[in-house]
Amino acid sequence: TQLLEQSPQFLSIQEGENLTVYCNSSSVFSSLQWYRQEPGEGPVLLVTVVTGGEVKKLKRLTFQFGDARKDSSLHITAAQPGDTGLYLCAARYNFNKFYFGSGTKLNVKP
Amino acid sequence: DVKVTQSSRYLVKRTGEKVFLECVQDMDHENMFWYRQDPGLGLRLIYFSYDVKMKEKGDIPEGYSVSREKKERFSLILESASTNQTSMYLCASSLPTGAARADTQYFGPGTRLTVL
Repeated sequence: TQLLEQSPQFLSIQEGENLTVYCNSSSVFSSLQWYRQEPGEGPVLLVTVVTGGEVKKLKRLTFQFGDARKDSSLHITAAQPGDTGLYLCAARYNFNKFYFGSGTKLNVKP
Repeated sequence: DVKVTQSSRYLVKRTGEKVFLECVQDMDHENMFWYRQDPGLGLRLIYFSYDVKMKEKGDIPEGYSVSREKKERFSLILESASTNQTSMYLCASSLPTGAARADTQYFGPGTRLTVL
């Protein structure tokens, strides 16, 4: 059983389309992170959300933390080929350890 | 600029060989992690270290051991490699729990290990 469930697993869209990726759990977290991983590289942090209901924007990317701090979403407006990659959510599940979702593989076609 | 480096990008080993994966960080971070990444399973924690010579098991420690003799270096050891250890191995580092930005992990580029 995955502690963090991500959906969808795969997404292939045309340049200019909008998309939303979800990260859900039955557990409450003090914070949640979103990473992007490009082929052949390690994940790179995009954002950390901490407060229930929090919304953070990073250019065309909008991140939201659920009111109950159990879920999060990532919305990309007018996707670009440069957005292609694996999107991972992560959360601290005990004092020193993190759990990662299985990821959403996004392909944006020009 | 923060940097985590891993000794090899690609490695091919035979079943039964002892394998060493090295990770070095230049950020003076206390915490270091080893994960393996498999399609559809995300990143799974193998071992974690919060200080020199200190380590904790992660979710899948079987078949692995670690060594942290210096703060900047964290090694993953496969005592006797098996085919089911074929995977992408990622090293990461972070500030200690409780510090500002402690939830940010900095990853190396990964080592793709194939065990034949």
